[in-house]
Amino acid sequence: EVQLLESGGGLVQPGGSLRLSCAASGIAFSSYAMSWVRQAPGKGLEWVSSISAGGGTTSYADSVKGRFIVSRDNSKNTLFLQVSSLRADDTAVYYCAKRSSYGLGFYFEHWGQGTRVTVSS
Amino acid sequence: QSVLTQPPSVSGAPGQRITISCTGSGSNIGAGYDVHWYQQFPGTAPKLLIYGNTNRPSGVPDRFSGSKSGSSSSLAITGLQTEDEADYYCQSYDSSLSASVFGRGTKLTVL
Repeated sequence: EVQLLESGGGLVQPGGSLRLSCAASGIAFSSYAMSWVRQAPGKGLEWVSSISAGGGTTSYADSVKGRFIVSRDNSKNTLFLQVSSLRADDTAVYYCAKRSSYGLGFYFEHWGQGTRVTVSS
Repeated sequence: QSVLTQPPSVSGAPGQRITISCTGSGSNIGAGYDVHWYQQFPGTAPKLLIYGNTNRPSGVPDRFSGSKSGSSSSLAITGLQTEDEADYYCQSYDSSLSASVFGRGTKLTVL
């Protein structure tokens, strides 16, 4: 059974930073691209970032480019998201997801339970 | 404003059939990118419902089906059940944005 377990969320002041983690089990982690998707309170889903299986290729939504950094440690089956220069509109539940390909494009096959980030003074 | 347009809400009675539309454009669905659907219950993580326009992951009942035509996609649910009451999101890829994109979600109410 695939399990993705996020951690690292919390309350942070505007301009602050956090490091989110996602521990994976039940999958050959190093074989799969991974992604972060967030959901602001009462809002829809927003793709944030993706990283290739080997970690060499990363991509970001325009809303977080230059402020967030995605990385992974395949030896520890763990995905990371360093979030910096946080703003109020970054307040959301952050989900990690296993990204899969089918035809053209990608989809999110498995999801973690999410970690909540609240940006407030 | 989302790149993919979904109705904010749909409703139906138990046993009925409903559809949820997802309309894109020439840089996403119309460009040939596949559409995927997710189901989300309040306070829980999204769950993959349909991938690659029409495919159901193992464990998803065949009451759920997807289709795609041109720049649009639809999710159909037949034999509506009270436990189907949830939010449903479509997702695709947009080549102009170089990003995965979601619809704003549709809240399904089973009357």
